[in-house]
Amino acid sequence: DSGVTQTPKHLITATGQRVTLRCSPRSGDLSVYWYQQSLDQGLQFLIQYYNGEERAKGNILERFSAQQFPDLHSELNLSSLELGDSALYFCASSEQGAGYGYTFGSGTRLTVV
Amino acid sequence: GESVGLHLPTLSVQEGDNSIINCAYSNSASDYFIWYKQESGKGPQFIIDIRSNMDKRQGQRVTVLLNKTVKHLSLQIAATQPGDSAVYFCAENINTDKLIFGTGTRLQVFP
Repeated sequence: DSGVTQTPKHLITATGQRVTLRCSPRSGDLSVYWYQQSLDQGLQFLIQYYNGEERAKGNILERFSAQQFPDLHSELNLSSLELGDSALYFCASSEQGAGYGYTFGSGTRLTVV
Repeated sequence: GESVGLHLPTLSVQEGDNSIINCAYSNSASDYFIWYKQESGKGPQFIIDIRSNMDKRQGQRVTVLLNKTVKHLSLQIAATQPGDSAVYFCAENINTDKLIFGTGTRLQVFP
């Protein structure tokens, strides 16, 4: 157990729907990062939050949004889902920023049918 | 642009042999590098890291080498075991708030 908790582990939904992925960072970590991993692909950075505020943005679609709450957990919202959104979504957390590495959760596997 | 790439998408080694996984990075300003291991169905797991002021760092059965002249990073795994079978990613940081990951190398260990 890495200490980063992601729920749900698996999610199957239809095109056009909206889903919310949840992440609880490791105790003491203020930064949360979201990554998307498509089949046999690398990890694509989506967005980062630090202590409740958006810190960095990657190639995140406008249909996707995220937030970090006062208790530091984060949610990634995916709307108007398309087949191509099927992927593994990972959350990672760090205490001092990317310059000291991340700890990853076990991911949420999203399947859009 | 953002680019961390790998020379070999798949590496097959015999159990007990040493493995070398390579990674090229494009940004000479990168100052921190990490190797992650990802087993099937799991999240990436930290293996070893190195900062740009070093050229070698050793862990338990793993060694990371950094050649800043040619912007090359390698991960050496000694006495490779079946449990080492996974996809290995290199990642770089350029004093920003995100890590940039390569596309990964799949390591297959056969008896």
